[in-house]
Amino acid sequence: QVQLVQSGAEVKKPGASMKVSCKVSGYTLTELSMHWVRQAPGKGLEWMGSFDPEDGEAGEQIYAQKFQGRVTMTEDTSTDTAYMELSSLGSEDTAVYYCATGSLGYFQYWGQGTLVTVSS
Amino acid sequence: DIQMTQSPSTLSASVGDRVTITCRASQTIGSWLAWYQQKPGKAPKLLISKASTLESGVPSRFSGSGSGTEFTLTISSLQPDDFATYYCQQYNSYSPLTFGGGTKVEIK
Repeated sequence: QVQLVQSGAEVKKPGASMKVSCKVSGYTLTELSMHWVRQAPGKGLEWMGSFDPEDGEAGEQIYAQKFQGRVTMTEDTSTDTAYMELSSLGSEDTAVYYCATGSLGYFQYWGQGTLVTVSS
Repeated sequence: DIQMTQSPSTLSASVGDRVTITCRASQTIGSWLAWYQQKPGKAPKLLISKASTLESGVPSRFSGSGSGTEFTLTISSLQPDDFATYYCQQYNSYSPLTFGGGTKVEIK
């Protein structure tokens, strides 16, 4: 059984960057394709991208075009922790950010979510 | 991008009702469709994958059908625990993965 535990809520100023962590237990991170999904207040789900591990190499990142140039997904396999960094934050980035994993591009396992509020 | 359109956006129903939610894809996605249930303040929960495969532990009153561009999620007899928001998601294409806008099932 995979468990995903995310870092706590954050408040950021416009223009700043955010970095959310997602610690995996029950599996090793190298066995999983990790995705990030966000949900603005009262809105639907939006896929941001994914990080696929590759044997002995840096993982392959696939980012939604909307976030290209602003998002970076990384992993620390020594601690089984995935990270998602988003830069140049605006108020429209206020959302709950989820890490999620599963097979073939759908998600059996989700983190509990991290609320990031962007406010001056 | 593959657009996913759900209808209705809100549905009012009573316990025991049969409920059907529709999800339409802007292009064919085969059977690469998942359904999720989300309750306020919680992460989504996977109900169905590959359009009709029920996840382990999900009650049998939930069922999914469809292929190509038209899909449905049916709850055969609505229970109090089923009042939630439901999302469809296509995983035929990673460019990008996309969700429907959601259907909120409310108490009538």
